[in-house]
Amino acid sequence: GAVVSQHPSRVICKSGTSVKIECRSLDFQATTMFWYRQFPKQSLMLMATSNEGSKATYEQGVEKDKFLINHASLTLSTLTVTSAHPEDSSFYICSASDRASNQPQHFGDGTRLSIL
Amino acid sequence: LAKTTQPISMDSYEGQEVNITCSHNNIATNDYITWYQQFPSQGPRFIIQGYKTKVTNEVASLFIPADRKSSTLSLPRVSLSDTAVYYCLVGLPNTGFQKLVFGTGTRLLVSP
Repeated sequence: GAVVSQHPSRVICKSGTSVKIECRSLDFQATTMFWYRQFPKQSLMLMATSNEGSKATYEQGVEKDKFLINHASLTLSTLTVTSAHPEDSSFYICSASDRASNQPQHFGDGTRLSIL
Repeated sequence: LAKTTQPISMDSYEGQEVNITCSHNNIATNDYITWYQQFPSQGPRFIIQGYKTKVTNEVASLFIPADRKSSTLSLPRVSLSDTAVYYCLVGLPNTGFQKLVFGTGTRLLVSP
């Protein structure tokens, strides 16, 4: 079945650091990927829609200059948290779907970001 | 996107059947109902999707009444490993390019 891989699974870094998270579709092409953020004991919150070859669409309240999204190929989208601060500490999850197969979205296993 | 309402939490014991109900009063004609399961520190995993009546797969059943304003996810004979958060979502099927809006989910705790 469709597999979505995220890397890294966990990141711990100092405040002010920029962190890049990768989301890959391993066995299918994904023209659209989605990025979510999840705080402890809370639900997933959609941050942005990543479109291959074009600019991402951000949800209201999500700073596009803070969370840079690049979707340069049909199998890879990246989320860069720029100048991260402790309040950016969260669980970041991506999802994608193989539109050609009409399957529901599949999610990566998330990236736990901890900013010290 | 139709809003969904689920119980915040449920408790059960191993071997019991668990039924989690989701309300979606504003479901649109073309909307499907999809359930995801999420374990701690993992991404959600697709469980089942349906439009009306009953859908069954190897892990769960989904019951949808005629008015489609609610749905029930049924987990037969749960085990400890079924402890997770279960999310009910409503929207178009084949959601490859549609953003998903997650509600609060239902936190299921299965005890020995």
